[in-house]
Amino acid sequence: GESVGLHLPTLSVQEGDNSIINCAYSNSASDYFIWYKQESGKGPQFIIDIRSNMDKRQGQRVTVLLNKTVKHLSLQIAATQPGDSAVYFCAESSGYSTLTFGKGTMLLVSP
Amino acid sequence: GAVVSQHPSRVICKSGTSVKIECRSLDFQATTMFWYRQFPKQSLMLMATSNEGSKATYEQGVEKDKFLINHASLTLSTLTVTSAHPEDSSFYICSASGQPANYGYTFGSGTRLTVV
Repeated sequence: GESVGLHLPTLSVQEGDNSIINCAYSNSASDYFIWYKQESGKGPQFIIDIRSNMDKRQGQRVTVLLNKTVKHLSLQIAATQPGDSAVYFCAESSGYSTLTFGKGTMLLVSP
Repeated sequence: GAVVSQHPSRVICKSGTSVKIECRSLDFQATTMFWYRQFPKQSLMLMATSNEGSKATYEQGVEKDKFLINHASLTLSTLTVTSAHPEDSSFYICSASGQPANYGYTFGSGTRLTVV
């Protein structure tokens, strides 16, 4: 894939704060993006997705923003809770090809 | 929603033995399944893509004779790690896509393989 993560950056926040996790992608042909949450020892869990014809999509406490101009994706988590602590991955695909995972970010939420 | 079951969740095996990991789609027909490998604190690396009834497509650098993939039905794919060695110890994860599930959304819970 074009985006391969070798290290995990960490974002530490206090409970109740809003969290913003960023992802840069490299394939300008990518037209579908997903954010996953992965807890230790478990498989990735779907959080929210967005297609390239949109620049914002909201879910429950989460918002994904897509900036195709600079190939940047972000995940915003409102009122972060300790249960949100996990590793978050963005993933991209182009024309229903396989998913390519980006570099993960570890989110640590302290009470 | 779509559910993918992966089994076993953990396995320890001796060097030189083979281990089979199963990936099942429980409530949809998985025309395509994907197998990933993940090392600690790293991202998921795609190993291979399997389509029901045909040979798997392996990513560059992945030995097809070592990682045997079978996708004989629309609900089951298996990954067999043959002649396992300690360097094969890793977290293996499958995902499945098909109808009515969306493409490549749903992941299994992963299998922690430890080769001793």
